[in-house]
Amino acid sequence: QSALTQPPSASGSPGQSVTISCTGTSSDIGAYNYVSWYQQDPGKAPKLIIYEVTKRPSGVPDRFSASKSGNTASLTVSGLQAEDEADYYCSSHAGSTRVFGGGTRLTV
Amino acid sequence: QVHLVESGGGVVQPGRSLRLSCAASGFIFTNYGIHWVRQASGKGLEWVAAISADGNDEFYADSVKGRFLISRDSSKNTVYLQLNSLRTEDTSVYYCARDWGTLFDYWGQGTLVSVSS
Repeated sequence: QSALTQPPSASGSPGQSVTISCTGTSSDIGAYNYVSWYQQDPGKAPKLIIYEVTKRPSGVPDRFSASKSGNTASLTVSGLQAEDEADYYCSSHAGSTRVFGGGTRLTV
Repeated sequence: QVHLVESGGGVVQPGRSLRLSCAASGFIFTNYGIHWVRQASGKGLEWVAAISADGNDEFYADSVKGRFLISRDSSKNTVYLQLNSLRTEDTSVYYCARDWGTLFDYWGQGTLVSVSS
């Protein structure tokens, strides 16, 4: 049950795009199309922004997109806005358990 | 609307026990599994445990297996996490989250557990 690997930080200017990677193994990300991404503001609970690799819940802007290749998933935030500054976590099924990434602090 | 409210956190000495509660409302409780996820201060999210919708299946992270016990009471729409043999490294905010098959769709606001002598 090792954590998924994310870069600790990412940054971009308003209007730019940034991509955050999430690397796992053939037992988690590589085995399931069940990668989800969560946005967390300081002191708040996480919020779902992407599920099943590429799907966006209702209300999440289409500036957020995601993909997966092999054992690595990626989240792209396009047209960065100041409100996108937050921590981002990936998560995957891992058999009967779940695993999270270490988190990426996005600075706009 | 869906609400999950955690309670039961506090300060406890190493080796002692604590029971956390997650009170659910706004949905059919017996249709959903529930997870516990924790977060140490300044650190990332760590999945801790889960219980199936019918309560028959329980799952644990290796880091808590044999020390923590998850259960649910459908008459009270509440999920519990019994924390035993607590260690300093268990100090975290503990969140409960609703399972929607492949994701956690609703989260509570968390309850803080601090393990210190």
